[in-house]
Amino acid sequence: GAVVSQHPSWVICKSGTSVKIECRSLDFQATTMFWYRQFPKQSLMLMATSNEGSKATYEQGVEKDKFLINHASLTLSTLTVTSAHPEDSSFYICSAPRTSKGEQFFGPGTRLTVL
Amino acid sequence: GQQVMQIPQYQHVQEGEDFTTYCNSSTTLSNIQWYKQRPGGHPVFLIQLVKSGEVKKQKRLTFQFGEAKKNSSLHITATQTTDVGTYFCAGSYGQNFVFGPGTRLSVLP
Repeated sequence: GAVVSQHPSWVICKSGTSVKIECRSLDFQATTMFWYRQFPKQSLMLMATSNEGSKATYEQGVEKDKFLINHASLTLSTLTVTSAHPEDSSFYICSAPRTSKGEQFFGPGTRLTVL
Repeated sequence: GQQVMQIPQYQHVQEGEDFTTYCNSSTTLSNIQWYKQRPGGHPVFLIQLVKSGEVKKQKRLTFQFGEAKKNSSLHITATQTTDVGTYFCAGSYGQNFVFGPGTRLSVLP
């Protein structure tokens, strides 16, 4: 099946620093990728939709200046958490659909801990 | 906005017992998908239902899509310890996907 990779798998950083997370579709092209945040024992909350060649679409309540998304190519989307704070600590997961309304293939997730 | 609800939130069963989780949408869905997330893992796609009244089976798992395309269910027959995890439904509304809160299943051996 389709594979989506994410890097890094975990990161610990100091408050105020920025962290970049990469999401790659390994064997298919994805014009759209989704970024989710998941707090412990909770559901996935969609943060934004990453669109190749255009601006990302952010969900209500998600600060676009804090969570910078760049869909650099048909196989790569990046999420940068700028000036991270402890409340940003979470599990960040990306996904990519292989077809416009098809199944989502999820990356393995990135666990971010901000000290 | 669109909301997807799921019940129960938690379910503890003895190995061999059946399990069912229910998913309800406030509005009509284009399709619905089901995912399983093992503890510490990421969601893995199980199935997609598109047609009104559709029923699909995968071994011990049976998935149903309601006639009105607003609800769905996942039924596991004779649970095994490998079924442990959180089961999420995800409703599709045009271009948007909305995940339900999930049902966490634990299976006691």
